[in-house]
Amino acid sequence: AQTVTQSQPEMSVQEAETVTLSCTYDTSESDYYLFWYKQPPSRQMILVIRQEAYKQQNATENRFSVNFQKAAKSFSLKISDSQLGDAAMYFCAYRSAFYGQLTFGSGTQLTVLP
Amino acid sequence: DADVTQTPRNRITKTGKRIMLECSQTKGHDRMYWYRQDPGLGLRLIYYSFDVKDINKGEISDGYSVSRQAQAKFSLSLESAIPNQTALYFCATSDSRQGSYNEQFFGPGTRLTVL
Repeated sequence: AQTVTQSQPEMSVQEAETVTLSCTYDTSESDYYLFWYKQPPSRQMILVIRQEAYKQQNATENRFSVNFQKAAKSFSLKISDSQLGDAAMYFCAYRSAFYGQLTFGSGTQLTVLP
Repeated sequence: DADVTQTPRNRITKTGKRIMLECSQTKGHDRMYWYRQDPGLGLRLIYYSFDVKDINKGEISDGYSVSRQAQAKFSLSLESAIPNQTALYFCATSDSRQGSYNEQFFGPGTRLTVL
């Protein structure tokens, strides 16, 4: 079974600064997808960024980028130029290429300080 | 706008009561999922359905049952609610026609409290 670990329950960052959220996972599969979801106080789950395991290039979406290290099974999220609206719970998630269900980490609560 | 909706959004019930949480989608997706979120545990899969006739247990199915009444509707039932089922419940959908990627789209969640 796959597992996803987020070792930072809470993080804080100053507005306009950069922060990195960590995620590690364990799998025996070679083909899979990794995701970062954002959950603001509204509790809606919002997809931030995704990474296909077969792609060596790290995914980027505007101020959000990932550092995907397949051999180390590490998938960190970097948020640049942090904004107050980035404050939320962030979840790392894994999905096999062959099955639809997601396996989530325990989440990191990000606080953005003005 | 195509969407995933959940009813009710909030519910307080008592131990031993039967309760149903409903999920509807207008996205035309064939796959539907129920997850449960607890503080410090993230989201965990309860049940999933790849089509109307295909229902599967997830990681934490004990104490829950589901019904896929139509492609667009997927209900989660607690036959006899207990306090440790107090949690935030999410429904999600995905489209197998997207191939191996098939992104999941989440509903707004149902906050359930069992007293």
